[in-house]
Amino acid sequence: SQTIHQWPATLVQPVGSPLSLECTVEGTSNPNLYWYRQAAGRGLQLLFYSVGIGQISSEVPQNLSASRPQDRQFILSSKKLLLSDSGFYLCAWSGTGVMNTEAFFGQGTRLTVV
Amino acid sequence: KQEVTQIPAALSVPEGENLVLNCSFTDSAIYNLQWFRQDPGKGLTSLLLIQSSQREQTSGRLNASLDKSSGRSTLYIAASQPGDSATYLCAVGGSGNQFYFGTGTSLTVIP
Repeated sequence: SQTIHQWPATLVQPVGSPLSLECTVEGTSNPNLYWYRQAAGRGLQLLFYSVGIGQISSEVPQNLSASRPQDRQFILSSKKLLLSDSGFYLCAWSGTGVMNTEAFFGQGTRLTVV
Repeated sequence: KQEVTQIPAALSVPEGENLVLNCSFTDSAIYNLQWFRQDPGKGLTSLLLIQSSQREQTSGRLNASLDKSSGRSTLYIAASQPGDSATYLCAVGGSGNQFYFGTGTSLTVIP
């Protein structure tokens, strides 16, 4: 069966510090991978998605970046965090193909920038 | 761009009641629609997936319907229980391998 791992679960970082959140998927090949952010009282905002190694699409211009160094690994990074980067970050995967398949989410990372 | 709306934003019901959560979307050119449950501080748990060619899906006490032409989906929960308390999110799967989310309905089932 497929599983998705996301870490860390919680993170407190000072303004201006770097960020690296990691997500890995097991039990499937060539998944579509996604990073979402959920701010308090707001819906899920798609940040990045990837349909393959090295292929990253950005939805919202910001100081965050994403990379996919391996087929089932998706990393969210920042060189210098802003207060506005605080939120709940969720990684997700879905199957490939023309028609979207079911999406599965990790348990999320609560990021607080202080 | 696809916009997804969920009504109501919050709902409180006594235990045992049947209830309906609503989801509407602006672009009917969708591939599927998925309902999720989110407990506080947790990730999303998939409840039901409806493909665009389907009209409904059932899992236990949950039944989700899809009317693509009118841009609507409903999640019906039968005989609600306190353990059903959570935020329920709907997501529309569109072109470009993307999912568009509503802002959710926060459900509280009172014992």
